This record gives sequence, C-alpha cells and structure tokens, in this order.
Amino acid sequence: AQSVSQHNHHVILSEAASLELGCNYSYGGTVNLFWYVQYPGQHLQLLLKYFSGDPLVKGIKGFEAEFIKSKFSFNLRKPSVQWSDTAEYFCAVLIYNQGGKLIFGQGTELSVKP
Amino acid sequence: GAVVSQHPSWVICKSGTSVKIECRSLDFQATTMFWYRQFPKQSLMLMATSNEGSKATYEQGVEKDKFLINHASLTLSTLTVTSAHPEDSSFYICSASDGYQPQHFGDGTRLSIL
Repeated sequence: AQSVSQHNHHVILSEAASLELGCNYSYGGTVNLFWYVQYPGQHLQLLLKYFSGDPLVKGIKGFEAEFIKSKFSFNLRKPSVQWSDTAEYFCAVLIYNQGGKLIFGQGTELSVKP
Repeated sequence: GAVVSQHPSWVICKSGTSVKIECRSLDFQATTMFWYRQFPKQSLMLMATSNEGSKATYEQGVEKDKFLINHASLTLSTLTVTSAHPEDSSFYICSASDGYQPQHFGDGTRLSIL
C-alpha cells in the first residue's frame, strides 16, 4: 500500500535557524506532491506543490522543497525560520488514477523559539 | 482564494445521538469532496470520497452505515455520524476540489461524544 513517511515528529528550532523536514513516499508511479501547513486553530493551507518540471519548487513564506525521484523524497526547507512558522507541517502525495485521493504523512510539529 | 466552510466547528453531544457536519465550497463548484478524520498528534486519514450526485466511495475499514455522506449539490456535502459513541470523538475535516489540484480544506469539526 502507498504510504508517506515524515521522519521528524517534533522539531524545535531557534529563530533564524535553517529548517529541513523530511518526507518519503512509497509508490513507484507518477505522483503529485504537496506540503501543507496547519497553524494552531486554523485549517490546512497549501505551502507548495510539485506536479512536474523543475524538481526544486518554491512556495509561500520562503519555503521550498526538492523532489528527488530516485530517493522517493520531497523534503521541505527554509533557510531561516521565524517564530511565526510554529505550526504542524504535513507532506501529502496524490497518486494518479486514484480520484484525487491524498495520502498524508503523520505530520511534523515545528516549534520555533523567539 | 478558494474557500471551504465547515460547520459546526465544535459539537458536543450524548452517546447514541446522530450528528451532521456540513461542508460548503463558497466560491467554486466542488465536483469532488473528501472527508478526513484526524486523531490527536496523528495524520489525516481519508474516510471517503464523494462525487456530486453519486454514492460516496469509502476507504477500507470505514463503516458506510455509520458515516453517511451526501453530496447532493456542487457546493455542499454532509457527513452524518449516526448513533455516535465516545470512540467516534475526533477531528473531522473536509476538503473540496473542482477537479484541479490542490484540494481546499475546511477548518474542521471537533466532535466530542459524552
């Protein structure tokens, strides 16, 4: 069965530190990849997405992610985090020909200390 | 941007009652709506996919007679938890798609069964 794995359950950083959150998926076919963010008390918001083309995608708020097909990975990065980045981050994969169904990773809680 | 409204945001009810949750797409036609369940500190688990005017497709292990889904129009889907019990307490999230990614998520409904 397809699955998405996020390596870090809880990450604690100081402001201005660099961030990298790991995401790996298990599926050998064509996928679309997403990172969502959920701020406390709010709904899921799309940070960035990869459909095709340049494997390095840039999203909102200075986030970027790199799709490495050979590693089945789609890691999220930000050079310098801010306190306002404190949130839960979810990686998600959409498998082609499955009606738009998203498979989510277990989430990574990011806490940024001011 | 696209908005999905979910109502109610929080509901508390007695064991044995039925609870209806609404999911509305406010500024686009949602040909497909998805219902997810999220346990504390865990990922979103897809419960079912509904296409307007047809029966919902349930994921393995989800009781279709307990979680009734109706998608009668292009802007409204409802999830009814029938004869709810404490183990049904959870955070339920809907998302909507007009056939193009990404999906747009509602704010979620926190269901507490006493």
